Amino acid sequence: DTEVTQTPKHLVMGMTNKKSLKCEQHMGHRAMYWYKQKAKKPPELMFVYSYEKLSINESVPSRFSPECPNSSLLNLHLHALQPEDSALYLCASSPFGGLTNTGELFFGEGSRLTVL
Amino acid sequence: GENVEQHPSTLSVQEGDSAVIKCTYSDSASNYFPWYKQELGKGPQLIIDIRSNVGEKKDQRIAVTLNKTAKHFSLHITETQPEDSAVYFCAASTPTGANNLFFGTGTRLTVIP
Repeated sequence: DTEVTQTPKHLVMGMTNKKSLKCEQHMGHRAMYWYKQKAKKPPELMFVYSYEKLSINESVPSRFSPECPNSSLLNLHLHALQPEDSALYLCASSPFGGLTNTGELFFGEGSRLTVL
Repeated sequence: GENVEQHPSTLSVQEGDSAVIKCTYSDSASNYFPWYKQELGKGPQLIIDIRSNVGEKKDQRIAVTLNKTAKHFSLHITETQPEDSAVYFCAASTPTGANNLFFGTGTRLTVIP
């Protein structure tokens, strides 16, 4: 079983709603990630937090807002989404961040988002 | 940036046969090459990885080979079983700074009982 836990597993929201996706890991990992995955495509990187600081934002629209309250938690706040934002949102973690990163990435099961 | 190509996009094999998936990468600085298995409705699961100082790595029925000169790496699954059916992604990474994996486009493997 994955040690990266994501909630909720499924989310349906309207374009005017505000919702959040949550991710938690208790492996002591120091880097956490949000990826977006469309059907039959590989995951696409959205954000990277390294030692609880945002280190990569892959030009993601501001309607997606990440937050890292502590080293174990990662949130993705959603507001005014579009139907094309419907996708599987994957959280991942890796043991080290920054220049000490050794590459291993462990994914959660994802949150499937549908925007109506 | 890094570009990873993966072939084939779909692969069907009889149970018990071997399956091979191939990937090429463009950035000679890449030095970490993981393989992920993604079952329907689940997140990608790391199944094996290899670093550039190693040419081959094996874990039970799964093996990965790396040819740095040719910039390609392959996943080999022997004695395939129906539960091996999934989408497999290769990836390449140059872990300098924050990690960023560059994924291949995926291979849907079907093992026919």
